[in-house]
Amino acid sequence: DAGVIQSPRHEVTEMGQEVTLRCKPISGHNSLFWYRQTMMRGLELLIYFNNNVPIDDSGMPEDRFSAKMPNASFSTLKIQPSEPRDSAVYFCASNVQRGSPLHFGNGTRLTVT
Amino acid sequence: GIQVEQSPPDLILQEGANSTLRCNFSDSVNNLQWFHQNPWGQLINLFYIPSGTKQNGRLSATTVATERYSLLYISSSQTTDSGVYFCAVDSGYSTLTFGKGTMLLVSP
Repeated sequence: DAGVIQSPRHEVTEMGQEVTLRCKPISGHNSLFWYRQTMMRGLELLIYFNNNVPIDDSGMPEDRFSAKMPNASFSTLKIQPSEPRDSAVYFCASNVQRGSPLHFGNGTRLTVT
Repeated sequence: GIQVEQSPPDLILQEGANSTLRCNFSDSVNNLQWFHQNPWGQLINLFYIPSGTKQNGRLSATTVATERYSLLYISSSQTTDSGVYFCAVDSGYSTLTFGKGTMLLVSP
C-alpha cells in the first residue's frame, strides 16, 4: 500500500498566482480530508469529502480556496489568487469511513512570496 | 465545539527514560486517535483508541472515556521518538479536532 500521495512536496509561488495541490488517497478509502498546519493555528480542517462528495467545507478560509474530488482516487485543492498568509503545510488524509483511523500524506509545504 | 488539551506542551528526556503524555477533552467522544509528527513533518497514526488500552511495542495508550482523558506512554525512549505527539477526537458531531500537541525531544 503506497499510502496517501501528495504533490508537489514543496511549492514556492508569488502572490497572486494560482496554486494547485494534488492528492491521491489510499485505495478503498471513502473519506478524504484537507488540513492546513501553521505554527499559529496548528492543524485546521479545511474540507472533507465522503464518497467524492464535499460534506463540510466550513473550514475553507475564503472564496479564494476551492477543492474538488472528481473521482475516488484524486482530489485537488486550489488557491486563486494566492497570498503570503496562505503559506503553510497542507496535508491530505484519508480513511475507510468517518470515525476510522486517519492516514496522512507527507504534506505540501507552500510558500507564497 | 469540543476542546482538546494536551500536556505537557514540551518534554525533554534522556534516551532510555519513560514518559506519559496526557490528552483531556471536554465532551464525550466516539473516536480518539494519537499521532506522531516526526522531525521531517510526517504525521503517523499511532493508535485508534476511543476506549480501553492498546499496546504497540514500546508505546501504549489508554483512554478513559467516562473521565474524558487519554494517556500515551512511551517506554525506554529513543531519539527517533522525538517530534510532536497529537491527540485528536471526534465527538460525533464533527470531524477530528486536534490538540496543540506535546513536543518531545529525546537526547542521546
